[in-house]
Amino acid sequence: NAGVTQTPKFQVLKTGQSMTLQCAQDMNHEYMSWYRQDPGMGLRLIHYSVGAGITDQGEVPNGYNVSRSTTEDFPLRLLSAAPSQTSVYFCASRKTGGNYGYTFGSGTRLTVV
Amino acid sequence: AQSVTQLDSQVPVFEEAPVELRCNYSSSVSVYLFWYVQYPNQGLQLLLKYLSGSTLVKGINGFEAEFNKSQTSFHLRKPSVHISDTAEYFCAVSDDGGTSYGKLTFGQGTILTVHP
Repeated sequence: NAGVTQTPKFQVLKTGQSMTLQCAQDMNHEYMSWYRQDPGMGLRLIHYSVGAGITDQGEVPNGYNVSRSTTEDFPLRLLSAAPSQTSVYFCASRKTGGNYGYTFGSGTRLTVV
Repeated sequence: AQSVTQLDSQVPVFEEAPVELRCNYSSSVSVYLFWYVQYPNQGLQLLLKYLSGSTLVKGINGFEAEFNKSQTSFHLRKPSVHISDTAEYFCAVSDDGGTSYGKLTFGQGTILTVHP
């Protein structure tokens, strides 16, 4: 029972590079989302998905892409990394309806130099 | 749109003292309310949640929170803190589903530091 698994845990990128942050859950949760955490700003929603093939933008979507081809996986792509994207990224999932509460991954700490 | 304001960015307290972390929210619809805790270099863990019913909610590790609809508040309390409670605490609000699918909006966080 792994819950929400994020890889990698740490990453350093150069400005302009692209990469994909992986998120997988094994709880058959329909809803998945990506947040970024910055000091003093809490967690801000980047993108979310309510099921396979359905995604939408959150509060801070610029510079990020997502897709949801399966229920289990929800990768986050940085198209051309910028120093402003230095942050800790969290993936979260939950079942739709009933608001059972979210399960969070352990995070990916990204530094863009 | 919904928003959350945590009124204190940092709260220092001595061990075995009581603590209250304050949270106010705004929303045009019915809401669900949550408190999460984040220990250093870890992910977020759910402390407690209010969905409906009794306005006093009890969570893990001896924490409790009270939902006050008239004051739009959801303050977190613990009668006696331990060193191990040192962490960052986040208040969050989710609407009741509707067209926004219950997205979670977080406050800015409160760093609780418990001193011996």
